[in-house]
Amino acid sequence: DAGITQSPRHKVTETGTPVTLRCHQTENHRYMYWYRQDPGHGLRLIHYSYGVKDTDKGEVSDGYSVSRSKTEDFLLTLESATSSQTSVYFCAIRGPGTGNTIYFGEGSWLTVV
Amino acid sequence: EDKVVQSPLSLVVHEGDTVTLNCSYEVTNFRSLLWYKQEKKAPTFLFMLTSSGIEKKSGRLSSILDKKELFSILNITATQTGDSAVYLCAVEASGSGNTGKLIFGQGTTLQVKP
Repeated sequence: DAGITQSPRHKVTETGTPVTLRCHQTENHRYMYWYRQDPGHGLRLIHYSYGVKDTDKGEVSDGYSVSRSKTEDFLLTLESATSSQTSVYFCAIRGPGTGNTIYFGEGSWLTVV
Repeated sequence: EDKVVQSPLSLVVHEGDTVTLNCSYEVTNFRSLLWYKQEKKAPTFLFMLTSSGIEKKSGRLSSILDKKELFSILNITATQTGDSAVYLCAVEASGSGNTGKLIFGQGTTLQVKP
């Protein structure tokens, strides 16, 4: 258990509404990541953070923004949800305490109708 | 463009069989290669490989990396039904802030029949 909590775990929302997913960690890890997983595409990196207020884009960042105002929380926001953003979203962390290995949270299932 | 390719995409075997899963990659600024097992929930970490030719082993699972030929294999001996899962290969490449970002393959779905 790498001390990662994702919320909400399941959400159904309507097209055009904003959605925020939260990743909370208790181990003070520096690096945090957001991935999405879709059939046929595997896991794809959306955004990642290498410190408070330090973030960068991954390969599928369009339509998503992130914020990290404190070490323990990494927020993923869909400004205006679309059906193509229906997916499973995984938060991940990495740090010295993990042997520099990346560990994943339990996932957030998002359905945009 | 960075790329990780796994093969086969799916595999069905019987208990007791030995399986070999393949992962090839084309990544700039390679740092490490990781294997994960996923059973309908979060991926769970299996191995991290950074050096060529050194086998990592955990019970019936083992893995090795060839940095010259840019591939890795994951072996599972004496398979059990509990080994049924999607096996994910990921390569870590250097990114901003000296952090690594993982690039995943599509995964290999393994089904082990009794």
